[in-house]
Amino acid sequence: GIQVEQSPPDLILQEGANSTLRCNFSDSVNNLQWFHQNPWGQLINLFYIPSGTKQNGRLSATTVATERYSLLYISSSQTTDSGVYFCAVINRDQAGTALIFGKGTTLSVSS
Amino acid sequence: DGGITQSPKYLFRKEGQNVTLSCEQNLNHDAMYWYRQDPGQGLRLIYYSQIVNDFQKGDIAEGYSVSREKKESFPLTVTSAQKNPTAFYLCASRGGGGYSNQPQHFGDGTRLSIL
Repeated sequence: GIQVEQSPPDLILQEGANSTLRCNFSDSVNNLQWFHQNPWGQLINLFYIPSGTKQNGRLSATTVATERYSLLYISSSQTTDSGVYFCAVINRDQAGTALIFGKGTTLSVSS
Repeated sequence: DGGITQSPKYLFRKEGQNVTLSCEQNLNHDAMYWYRQDPGQGLRLIYYSQIVNDFQKGDIAEGYSVSREKKESFPLTVTSAQKNPTAFYLCASRGGGGYSNQPQHFGDGTRLSIL
């Protein structure tokens, strides 16, 4: 099945710094989502982005489907950005089925 | 408010006991999913259902059972056959038809522990 790899596994930042999280996937996809899991376990939808670029406040994401990767940018990071960021995809040949998750990037932002 | 409600938030299971986790959605979504998350790991699929009265096994279905009698409800039973049930369980739903690729939305999860 499709493989999803996220990097880096861990990231430590000072408040105000910028960061880039990467998601590589091994096959064509028609669904890619980025999530933020907060310390209480809630999984928050950040972006639905199977291709192209989107922005939402200090966060933006880009997916280059032809090269099989997606990037999540966090600018001017805040302590509330701490948590685990997951990338999840659905293989193009398995439309409508479940998401395949990477292992996540754990972000710690200190003041 | 529209959303996905999971209950209870915390659940404890005794040895040999079956327990049922509830997932209800009022988003009028066709598809619903159950995922399991172990510490430091991503989510893995247990079961999913694209339509009422139909469901498919995921990668780790052994020791679990589901039903989909109503569109808005997709309960998960953790049976005594599941030898390592301690985990965080997340339910999700997705709009559109059976093969839609609309985004999935998640409930707040249930933490299950063994007594």
